[in-house]
Amino acid sequence: GESVGLHLPTLSVQEGDNSIINCAYSNSASDYFIWYKQESGKGPQFIIDIRSNMDKRQGQRVTVLLNKTVKHLSLQIAATQPGDSAVYFCAESSGGSNYKLTFGKGTLLTVNP
Amino acid sequence: GAGVSQTPSNKVTEKGKYVELRCDPISGHTALYWYRQSLGQGPEFLIYFQGTGAADDSGLPNDRFFAVRPEGSVSTLKIQRTERGDSAVYLCASSFSGSLFYEQFFGPGTRLTVL
Repeated sequence: GESVGLHLPTLSVQEGDNSIINCAYSNSASDYFIWYKQESGKGPQFIIDIRSNMDKRQGQRVTVLLNKTVKHLSLQIAATQPGDSAVYFCAESSGGSNYKLTFGKGTLLTVNP
Repeated sequence: GAGVSQTPSNKVTEKGKYVELRCDPISGHTALYWYRQSLGQGPEFLIYFQGTGAADDSGLPNDRFFAVRPEGSVSTLKIQRTERGDSAVYLCASSFSGSLFYEQFFGPGTRLTVL
């Protein structure tokens, strides 16, 4: 059958470890960023967002860091669990648009029990 | 409550045929979006509706693609003269309003295969 993530960057971690997923963006006008989680056969699910006037935002077990100088975004997942296994996408709003999302390529996270 | 639903979940068609993909947004959501996701890629924006009107259709790849939302709720994505390159998962999302202050909720997608 099909292999989702055949061409995706992959990250494999042990259960309980912390995970860091990275994303680079190119549009310096982007002012809003979102991390999504997508499980096989499902649509993307919102995890956490951050606006460009912030450099860090924390949620439950997740932290997003934004470095506008180098146009880099990261998602940190604490105490990774098997249920965290999925493809993770960063998305940005196009400059001047407050509704259109541009998604990155995605990273496949595999959590080993 | 119910989330965004899409039908059919899978559609197999032959090159040159016409297909319709349906999206039922969350009740009360005025904004609706269509995205296309190719294997191993992130979703790509196709079109955005605010109410009944297409506020931005800049992501539609060509004039074979068309979408409607006649009553401001259910939307249909229509593809004429399908080509093998149209094979992808078509995702629909809805939000309370067309601002990124409001989360976009995605449906499970329709997997379209053009033979």
